Amino acid sequence: AQTVTQSQPEMSVQEAETVTLSCTYDTSENNYYLFWYKQPPSRQMILVIRQEAYKQQNATENRFSVNFQKAAKSFSLKISDSQLGDTAMYFCAFNYGQNFVFGPGTRLSVLP
Amino acid sequence: GAGVSQSPSNKVTEKGKDVELRCDPISGHTALYWYRQSLGQGLEFLIYFQGNSAPDKSGLPSDRFSAERTGGSVSTLTIQRTQQEDSAVYLCASSLVAGGAPQETQYFGPGTRLLVL
Repeated sequence: AQTVTQSQPEMSVQEAETVTLSCTYDTSENNYYLFWYKQPPSRQMILVIRQEAYKQQNATENRFSVNFQKAAKSFSLKISDSQLGDTAMYFCAFNYGQNFVFGPGTRLSVLP
Repeated sequence: GAGVSQSPSNKVTEKGKDVELRCDPISGHTALYWYRQSLGQGLEFLIYFQGNSAPDKSGLPSDRFSAERTGGSVSTLTIQRTQQEDSAVYLCASSLVAGGAPQETQYFGPGTRLLVL
């Protein structure tokens, strides 16, 4: 069974600074997807970024980028130039076929 | 276009009553998922639909929970004889592709916050 671990329950960062959220996963599959979702206080889950496991190049979306280390089964999220609106719960997720597994989440607070 | 919608947005009920939660997926999305999120916790998988069938019901926590999907579109999650521990946010998500291959991105609804008194 696949598992997803986020070892940082809570983090904080000063506005305009950079922060990295950790995620590790366990799977025996070779071709899969990884996602980072953001859940602000409004509770609407929003896709931040996704990575196909067969792609070696790390995905980027504006201020958000990932460091995907397939051999280490690590998928960290880097947020550059943090903004107050980035305050939210961040969930790392793994997908293979019909299986979606979410990590427990990291609560990120961006401080003014 | 319209995203995933869920209703009601909030539901307060008394212990022992039945509740129905509704999910309208994005048009054309064949896969539909229900999750439960307890306060401050991650997402707990409940059930997955591929079209109208539910090949994976493994996450339903008890036989008081059931779900159906009609016409490959709207889904309802029913909780019978609600208990206080059922209080949570129930999230629905849909995606385009289903089957053995890796799926497309899931798109989430805003959730239904259920409070059982």
